[in-house]
Amino acid sequence: EVQLVESGGGLIQPGGSLRLSCAASGVTVSTNYMIWVRQAPGKGLEGVSVISNVGRTYYADSVKGRFTISRDNSKNTLYLQMNSLRVEDTAIYYCARVFGGSNDHGFDYWGQGTLVTVSS
Amino acid sequence: SYVLTQPPSVSVAPGRTAKITCGGSDIGSKSVHWYQQKPGQAPVLVLFYDSDRPSGIPERFSGSNSGNAATLTISRVEAGDEADYYCQVWDSSSDRPWVFGGGTKVTVL
Repeated sequence: EVQLVESGGGLIQPGGSLRLSCAASGVTVSTNYMIWVRQAPGKGLEGVSVISNVGRTYYADSVKGRFTISRDNSKNTLYLQMNSLRVEDTAIYYCARVFGGSNDHGFDYWGQGTLVTVSS
Repeated sequence: SYVLTQPPSVSVAPGRTAKITCGGSDIGSKSVHWYQQKPGQAPVLVLFYDSDRPSGIPERFSGSNSGNAATLTISRVEAGDEADYYCQVWDSSSDRPWVFGGGTKVTVL
């Protein structure tokens, strides 16, 4: 059974930093594409960042230069380092496993999400 | 960048059929995936590659994709189908290849 468990969310002041973790079981983070998706209160799904199986990374324009996606293969864990946080980064952050070929990826396993609240 | 357009809401009576559209330029040439999200829960994949159902998803959920629109069809709608539904494609030509539609709230009357 695949399980993705996010942690690390919380209340943080604007300009602060947080590191989110996504501990995986039943799936190997290092051999899969993985994605972070966020959902602001009352809003839709927004892709934040992807890491490929070979370590290539992609970022949404809104977080480029502030967020860094990474993984620890020994811990089978995905991370999202979030710096210079803004009020508009407030959201539930989900990690998900990416499936499919190079031109038709989707997301089949999702964590339960972790809430990040950026407020003074 | 590629854009997916969904109607904000669809209302349907129990037992009837709900159709949720996802519009995009030549979307028929892409693979479309659909997610269901109930309040307070994480999204769940309900259709992949336009019309395939993951294990555990009822046959009442079906999909099609042609031209400039993909459609998620929910037959014999039940109260438990009330949720937000999102379509998604992968645009490998983009630096931000994931593309989500804006979501459709399905209300069961």
